[in-house]
Amino acid sequence: QKEVEQNSGPLSVPEGAIASLNCTYSDRGSQSFFWYRQYSGKSPELIMFIYSNGDKEDGRFTAQLNKASQYVSLLIRDSQPSDSATYLCAVSLFGNEKLTFGTGTRLTIIP
Amino acid sequence: GAVVSQHPSWVICKSGTSVKIECRSLDFQATTMFWYRQFPKQSLMLMATSNEGSKATYEQGVEKDKFLINHASLTLSTLTVTSAHPEDSSFYICSARDGGRATGELFFGEGSRLTVL
Repeated sequence: QKEVEQNSGPLSVPEGAIASLNCTYSDRGSQSFFWYRQYSGKSPELIMFIYSNGDKEDGRFTAQLNKASQYVSLLIRDSQPSDSATYLCAVSLFGNEKLTFGTGTRLTIIP
Repeated sequence: GAVVSQHPSWVICKSGTSVKIECRSLDFQATTMFWYRQFPKQSLMLMATSNEGSKATYEQGVEKDKFLINHASLTLSTLTVTSAHPEDSSFYICSARDGGRATGELFFGEGSRLTVL
């Protein structure tokens, strides 16, 4: 079983709709959760991080964490073509500096 | 956000030669930096953790004699791919954590695309 799993996609969403990206992790000791966006040929850039159960909103982005279900998601509201990218979920254990990445979900926003 | 700069952004070399990639934290000090490798359409795989002033910690399956890491200062880590071969062609990305932040996120360099002919 992979430590961090994501649906590889591609996920196609019409412009203006909500894009929902999902991630599950295997280690119950995981404490910190991150979403990165990576455009083709570029390095990842941080979108959001979340530590506590529940929702965290930042502009059009909402991260949701459910530690009991070992599940973290990212919602993108009012999707724009510029949101088309690969979204990487990353997880770290408490006190551990290393991040473990999922394989990423490729998102395409259709104009 | 914190800035991590990586150089060169792309390099083409002949098989058997060595290539050095530099990673710098520009506006913060990084006692620890991380080197990742990413093959096409795959995720980031951690190669090693670079520790300032001490030996790097390599992930299982990564040859330490092939991928030499030096972290001589709080703002610079280098990765040298020795005797490069075509299978080493990949996107190499460094990252660092700003110890002045409590949030723990990694900031990534721009990446270095290596092509070995």
